[in-house]
Amino acid sequence: DGGITQSPKYLFRKEGQNVTLSCEQNLNHDAMYWYRQDPGQGLRLIYYSQIVNDFQKGDIAEGYSVSREKKESFPLTVTSAQKNPTAFYLCASRRRPDLREETQYFGPGTRLLVL
Amino acid sequence: AQTVTQSQPEMSVQEAETVTLSCTYDTSESNYYLFWYKQPPSRQMILVIRQEAYKQQNATENRFSVNFQKAAKSFSLKISDSQLGDTAMYFCAFMNTGNQFYFGTGTSLTVIP
Repeated sequence: DGGITQSPKYLFRKEGQNVTLSCEQNLNHDAMYWYRQDPGQGLRLIYYSQIVNDFQKGDIAEGYSVSREKKESFPLTVTSAQKNPTAFYLCASRRRPDLREETQYFGPGTRLLVL
Repeated sequence: AQTVTQSQPEMSVQEAETVTLSCTYDTSESNYYLFWYKQPPSRQMILVIRQEAYKQQNATENRFSVNFQKAAKSFSLKISDSQLGDTAMYFCAFMNTGNQFYFGTGTSLTVIP
């Protein structure tokens, strides 16, 4: 089955710890995105990548880092600099970022909790 | 920056009835796309419908249709013959010329049997 997988489903972080959220897609999509979802705030863009080995900051990139070494993978690291990391994290992909009518497809999400 | 506003945090509708969810946006761009996404309790985001700003005809997908008023920067979603499976969070989204998406805060819809 083609799709986007995110792991783990739940992740616990201790104070001062870096954690990495996985996002993998087998849709052969060029672009990938990371969003953070908080209650009452909708989705906010953290980072996005339109091509391998290239990525751009979104609106709330501080305290996060990403890499895009492979087309199918776009892991997100939540660093200790992110002071309020508790949220639901959604990964998305898009087949061709240059085609305006293309929509995003979303993974099932990862819930990050701070201990 | 673009902003997307959904002024109805919660709505409910009787099964088989029609409901309209509102969305307004703010932009100075003329060529953009608008989307409605559904997020059921499973948290999986699903595309409901999309609209290109240059197309005057309102988009329709089965029981879902939009009322796109470009001058008013309004993009409402109408759900006809509401079904229990329509219970979900609905997000309005705007895509700018740089292909960045901006989402509203969502409307929680409950379909009452």
